[in-house]
Amino acid sequence: AQKITQTQPGMFVQEKEAVTLDCTYDTSDPSYGLFWYKQPSSGEMIFLIYQGSYDQQNATEGRYSLNFQKARKSANLVISASQLGDSAMYFCAMSATRFGNEKLTFGTGTRLTIIP
Amino acid sequence: GAVVSQHPSRVICKSGTSVKIECRSLDFQATTMFWYRQFPKQSLMLMATSNEGSKATYEQGVEKDKFLINHASLTLSTLTVTSAHPEDSSFYICSARDRRSSDTQYFGPGTRLTVL
Repeated sequence: AQKITQTQPGMFVQEKEAVTLDCTYDTSDPSYGLFWYKQPSSGEMIFLIYQGSYDQQNATEGRYSLNFQKARKSANLVISASQLGDSAMYFCAMSATRFGNEKLTFGTGTRLTIIP
Repeated sequence: GAVVSQHPSRVICKSGTSVKIECRSLDFQATTMFWYRQFPKQSLMLMATSNEGSKATYEQGVEKDKFLINHASLTLSTLTVTSAHPEDSSFYICSARDRRSSDTQYFGPGTRLTVL
């Protein structure tokens, strides 16, 4: 069985600062995919970034980067130069196979609030 | 990224009626779509996996006769909540798997169902 743990229920960060959202996972599958999604108050789930378990380099996507530490089973999301529009719920998720063929298992989420 | 639409975005119905929610992949074909349910301030819980041309796979504890899923084409899956009751009130959100993007799941904007 897969499990995702997000230990930060809420975070407050000053605008323009960098923020790290924690995510640890547990799985017995040798290959898997890790995802981060953003859910603003409107409710839609916005895909941010993907990391495959066999990818050698950490994934980056604009201001988002994923700090993937396989030995520690962690996949923290780093947002650089935070903006007011970054305020939202953030969910870490994983899939059983490298290419997301299976269902996603979600963490409980972190509510990020950016302070002006 | 890929675009997934959901309709309606919000629905209010009387207890005992049935409600149909549509999920469409607008710019890609999706052989697999997923239906989630989200209670306030909680994470997403997978209800079922919808496969084009075959029966849906339901998660444990989800009543297949209550939540009917039809994946009639490569771009459309529907969820019908039959004989809805107030406890079915929730946020329902679908996702579609895009094989062009490492099989990343892209989410629709969600449907808020309120059963009176």
